[in-house]
Amino acid sequence: EAGVAQSPRYKIIEKRQSVAFWCNPISGHATLYWYQQILGQGPKLLIQFQNNGVVDDSQLPKDRFSAERLKGVDSTLKIQPAKLEDSAVYLCASSLNFVSGVDGYTFGSGTRLTVV
Amino acid sequence: SQQGEEDPQALSIQEGENATMNCSYKTSINNLQWYRQNSGRGLVHLILIRSNEREKHSGRLRVTLDTSKKSSSLLITASRAADTASYFCATDRQGGSEKLVFGKGTKLTVNP
Repeated sequence: EAGVAQSPRYKIIEKRQSVAFWCNPISGHATLYWYQQILGQGPKLLIQFQNNGVVDDSQLPKDRFSAERLKGVDSTLKIQPAKLEDSAVYLCASSLNFVSGVDGYTFGSGTRLTVV
Repeated sequence: SQQGEEDPQALSIQEGENATMNCSYKTSINNLQWYRQNSGRGLVHLILIRSNEREKHSGRLRVTLDTSKKSSSLLITASRAADTASYFCATDRQGGSEKLVFGKGTKLTVNP
């Protein structure tokens, strides 16, 4: 089966510019997550979708970050305006309902954002 | 906020040796998972252990879970250079919304 697709792979922008990331999860996976991973740290959850509804966005900096999952499939994450501290890898992951405890999450390769 | 805390932060061993990484967490969990991340890549799911399980094996991997101590360990036996990566534990908290909270990771280097 195809994995989680993310684009772009790399992005360099100046501070105060805007940027958008795209994610296509595994077909049939209802749950989609966006994580931010700063260099040397573990991933931090930004937002969780169940189909096209938001389940958890408590750690999303809503003054500058937004995300949507139209039609419950693809998702986009946007930052506007970007700050230097937003430099990180943005990871998208998808899962079936893993209460059954089988496969865990499947992650994409991530988008490495550098804000200069 | 991060739930898991891996120990050690970095580990360097020779090929063929065993590698043990530990994870401690703070709240009651439904399950605990281990992931591997090669440099510049996404995370790969290795193994999941549920809160009512104490030990699980998958190939050269052995995971233990002690819910009374809120800790887990990942053992990689007969390590290979290809095992060089960062390893993260992640917990699914009880009463949560089925989201994983990751630790800071252990960076493992296996020298040939």
